[in-house]
Amino acid sequence: DIQMTQSPSTLPASVGDRVTITCRASESISGWLAWYQQKPGKAPKLLIYQASSLESGVPSRFSGSGSGTEFTLTISSLQPDDFGTYYCQHYYGHSWAFGQGTKVEIK
Amino acid sequence: QLQLQESGPGLVKSSETLSLTCSVSGGSISTSSYYWGWVRQPPGKGLEWIGSMNYRGGSYYEPSLMSRVAISIDTSKNQFSLSLTSLTAADTAVYFCASGLDGYKAYWGQGTLVTVSS
Repeated sequence: DIQMTQSPSTLPASVGDRVTITCRASESISGWLAWYQQKPGKAPKLLIYQASSLESGVPSRFSGSGSGTEFTLTISSLQPDDFGTYYCQHYYGHSWAFGQGTKVEIK
Repeated sequence: QLQLQESGPGLVKSSETLSLTCSVSGGSISTSSYYWGWVRQPPGKGLEWIGSMNYRGGSYYEPSLMSRVAISIDTSKNQFSLSLTSLTAADTAVYFCASGLDGYKAYWGQGTLVTVSS
């Protein structure tokens, strides 16, 4: 099974900061990776699919990059609505998995 | 725009079987390119993929749950279902139904809390 590891687990940040979250796969998943944002008590929201494609309606300050085993989610200028927990998910092969999550919190 | 809504019991007993249904509106569950699946989240913890199914018949499950889980599609009711057997306290979680192209999930239900009691 392919394991997904996110870093950091917690990310203290301020409004206006450039934020980068990393997701590493235990083996190559090509570009079969998505990123989600989750707020407490809510369902996750898709931000990025196919590693770098921005979901319709998602602000352009969000971007994704990477391929193979290493991927990043970048928020170019953190906004108040961006605080929450971010998850990566691979969908390569026949067994998919989420990373453990990165909580972006107010510094 | 697809909309998904979970339904099922909020409390089930240990060793019993959980059955949840996800009703789909705004589109047909027969769309061949979509995957229909389930994700759960234990209280205070991260997301766990349970499994997904494609209308063309392909079904994929989390290996650690494979012996206990089944997902099925009912095209006549435009809904899909989750069955999880031999429940334990570790299965207590919010269960989400979700769907999207390939394996990413663009559409989510609001989630339903399932508590397993002894």
